[in-house]
Amino acid sequence: EAGVAQSPRYKIIEKRQSVAFWCNPISGHATLYWYQQILGQGPKLLIQFQNNGVVDDSQLPKDRFSAERLKGVDSTLKIQPAKLEDSAVYLCASSHRTGLAEQYFGPGTRLTVT
Amino acid sequence: AQSVTQPDIHITVSEGASLELRCNYSYGATPYLFWYVQSPGQGLQLLLKYFSGDTLVQGIKGFEAEFKRSQSSFNLRKPSVHWSDAAEYFCAVGVRGGADGLTFGKGTHLIIQP
Repeated sequence: EAGVAQSPRYKIIEKRQSVAFWCNPISGHATLYWYQQILGQGPKLLIQFQNNGVVDDSQLPKDRFSAERLKGVDSTLKIQPAKLEDSAVYLCASSHRTGLAEQYFGPGTRLTVT
Repeated sequence: AQSVTQPDIHITVSEGASLELRCNYSYGATPYLFWYVQSPGQGLQLLLKYFSGDTLVQGIKGFEAEFKRSQSSFNLRKPSVHWSDAAEYFCAVGVRGGADGLTFGKGTHLIIQP
């Protein structure tokens, strides 16, 4: 089966610009996650969706970050405006159900903010 | 809140030698525990997981891990490493009964010497 797809793979923007990342989960996976991985650290959960509803967004910086999963399939994560400290790899993961089923990760989008 | 500590930032092991990567967690109850591997430019891949039952769990690629409640540890082991095992390894904890995004450690970078 096809894995989790993410695009773009790399993005370079200047601070105060906006950027969007796209994720297409594994077919049939109801749960989708966005993680932020800063260089030298482990991934940190930003938001979790169950179908098109938000389960957990407690660590999402809502003043600049937003995410949606309108049709319960693919998802978009947006940053507006970007800051230097947003430079990171943004990982999308999906699982077929909640309850700590295995999460399958995409290759990530590496964002550099200059 | 739960947390994960991986005390070793880098570990160097000779090819064919045994390996142990350390992981300590902090959580008030019995957690769900995971080990993931991340190769350069790749997404995270699940090596193994512990939910309950037998405290010694077997994973893919010849890895195993042992859950020790008394030490709050979940160390990863492999009896004989191969050059292809060079990668970043992350220990993660999940919370029972809550939103199931994972909390990751900072990772251990494994270097294999020929």
